[in-house]
Amino acid sequence: GIQVEQSPPDLILQEGANSTLRCNFSDSVNNLQWFHQNPWGQLINLFYIPSGTKQNGRLSATTVATERYSLLYISSSQTTDSGVYFCAVPSGNTPLVFGKGTRLSVIA
Amino acid sequence: KAGVTQTPRYLIKTRGQQVTLSCSPISGHRSVSWYQQTPGQGLQFLFEYFSETQRNKGNFPGRFSGRQFSNSRSEMNVSTLELGDSALYLCASSNWGLGTEAFFGQGTRLTVV
Repeated sequence: GIQVEQSPPDLILQEGANSTLRCNFSDSVNNLQWFHQNPWGQLINLFYIPSGTKQNGRLSATTVATERYSLLYISSSQTTDSGVYFCAVPSGNTPLVFGKGTRLSVIA
Repeated sequence: KAGVTQTPRYLIKTRGQQVTLSCSPISGHRSVSWYQQTPGQGLQFLFEYFSETQRNKGNFPGRFSGRQFSNSRSEMNVSTLELGDSALYLCASSNWGLGTEAFFGQGTRLTVV
């Protein structure tokens, strides 16, 4: 099945800094989702982005399907951005295959 | 509109018991998928239901089962609980399943003692 790799595994930022999270996948996909897992465990939808670029406030995402990667940009980070960020793609009969996530800590 | 609702939020069970978790999808969504999240294995797909039929299944033992009702609400059941079943169980709701945007509930945190 498809392999989904996220980097970096851990990231510590000072409040106000910018960051880029990366998601590589081993096979072609027709959609990709980014999620933020909050401290209570819920996965919050950030982007549904099969290809191209989308922006939502301080967050934006770019997927280059032909090169099998997606990037999540967080600008002017805030402490509330802390948590784990996951990307996920469909594969075969599996609706979503998740990467291991990037754990982001934003320090005031 | 209302999001995905999972109940209960927390459960503590004893080894050997069974447990049933519930998931109510977003109104109009017909696909419900279940995932298990553990520190060691990450997020893993359990199964997907669409229009009351199990459409896809992950690599979990038969102790894990589920069903979906005519109103699209879904339940998953774990029988003969083992310590390793302690996990966060998440359900996802989507219009058509594979390839369509999925929305997750808050999860049920199961602890087996």
